[in-house]
Amino acid sequence: GAGVSQSPRYKVTKRGQDVALRCDPISGHVSLYWYRQALGQGPEFLTYFNYEAQQDKSGLPNDRFSAERPEGSISTLTIQRTEQRDSAMYRCASSSWTSGSTDTQYFGPGTRLTVL
Amino acid sequence: LAKTTQPISMDSYEGQEVNITCSHNNIATNDYITWYQQFPSQGPRFIIQGYKTKVTNEVASLFIPADRKSSTLSLPRVSLSDTAVYYCLVPSGNTPLVFGKGTRLSVIA
Repeated sequence: GAGVSQSPRYKVTKRGQDVALRCDPISGHVSLYWYRQALGQGPEFLTYFNYEAQQDKSGLPNDRFSAERPEGSISTLTIQRTEQRDSAMYRCASSSWTSGSTDTQYFGPGTRLTVL
Repeated sequence: LAKTTQPISMDSYEGQEVNITCSHNNIATNDYITWYQQFPSQGPRFIIQGYKTKVTNEVASLFIPADRKSSTLSLPRVSLSDTAVYYCLVPSGNTPLVFGKGTRLSVIA
């Protein structure tokens, strides 16, 4: 079946512009996660959802970052007034949710964001 | 969340067995040990998970001693295509994964 998809795969924008990154999780997956990965580092947690409810946004760097998942499926990560330090690979992952267990997270290919 | 420590990098020749050890001294009773693999330009991919003793699948084996304070990922007869970063994680239930820098494995011909 289809895996996690993300769009766009590459985004180049100018400083100060807003960007919206999209994640389409595996069908039926309840949980959706956003991570950011710098070169040479592991992915860093940003925020996650169970269904449409945002469970934890403690990893969002500042209030220019926001995310939504209005219908419990596709999610959008929005960065307002982008800055050069926002340049990174943004990764989305999804998992099914079995209470009390540790579920495998399936990662998408990522969106490479470059802020000029 | 249990903190993990693993080597930053390892080199191996093709055909050798590679063992990557991870320490997780403060692992909780209900925690599982999970390993992800990340190839260049791709997202991380789950490879194996275990709670105790030994787990084996088509990709790797995972050895966990009785005290569970460490674990060893074993890759049999590595090939060039096993060159990747390997992350040891101890996730707590259905929560975000906490990745460190992982172990960068380089397989040499």
